[in-house]
Amino acid sequence: QVQLVQSGAEVKKPGASVKVSCKASGYTFTGYYMHWVRQAPGQGLEWMGWINPNSGGTNYAQKFQGWVTMTRDTSISTAYMELSRLRSDDTAVYYCARAPAYCGGDCYPRYYFDYWGQGTLVTVSS
Amino acid sequence: QSVLTQPPSVSAAPGQKVTISCSGSSSNIGNNYVSWYQQLPGTAPKLLIYDNNKRPSGIPDRFSGSKSGTSATLGITGLQTGDEADYYCGTWDSSLSFVVFGGGTKLTVL
Repeated sequence: QVQLVQSGAEVKKPGASVKVSCKASGYTFTGYYMHWVRQAPGQGLEWMGWINPNSGGTNYAQKFQGWVTMTRDTSISTAYMELSRLRSDDTAVYYCARAPAYCGGDCYPRYYFDYWGQGTLVTVSS
Repeated sequence: QSVLTQPPSVSAAPGQKVTISCSGSSSNIGNNYVSWYQQLPGTAPKLLIYDNNKRPSGIPDRFSGSKSGTSATLGITGLQTGDEADYYCGTWDSSLSFVVFGGGTKLTVL
């Protein structure tokens, strides 16, 4: 069965960086895009961007460009999301979420998320 | 302020039907597929509907989706107490170039 298992909770100081991992199993890791979505306490969902595990290509929401980095290690079917220069309002649960690809000649991401990780709480506090 | 507008809360009795609306614009709902997610307290979101009206395997047919113009609707029939959750709509916004979500609707089954 498809599973996305994320790394554990983190507590960081303002200005620090955090790197969250998402280990995939039960499917071909390179056959689906991996998106990252965050949710601040008591708030709604906020999309951060995606990585194509096959090519390593990324697409970040404009808000996060310059301070988020998404990478992957295909040898261990794991995606990573690193957020730098953390501020207190980055305190949130961060989710990885799998999305199918649409492939004609080239492949493009679909924008619905059929499996989600359990979430990683990142707390930014001095 | 979310790009997609959902009612903050809806409620209905067990066994009844409820609908949750999601309003957007031509740059998002009007020209892209809509998906819906259920988030039970303390858990990750779960996909209920994709491509406006398709259900993933394992989602009961009590859940349905529709789209008309720049609005979408999630319908839930035969309400159960286990349906109490937050529900989110989402889609791609072609002008903003990112995925947008509604602010979420809290369903209470009275």
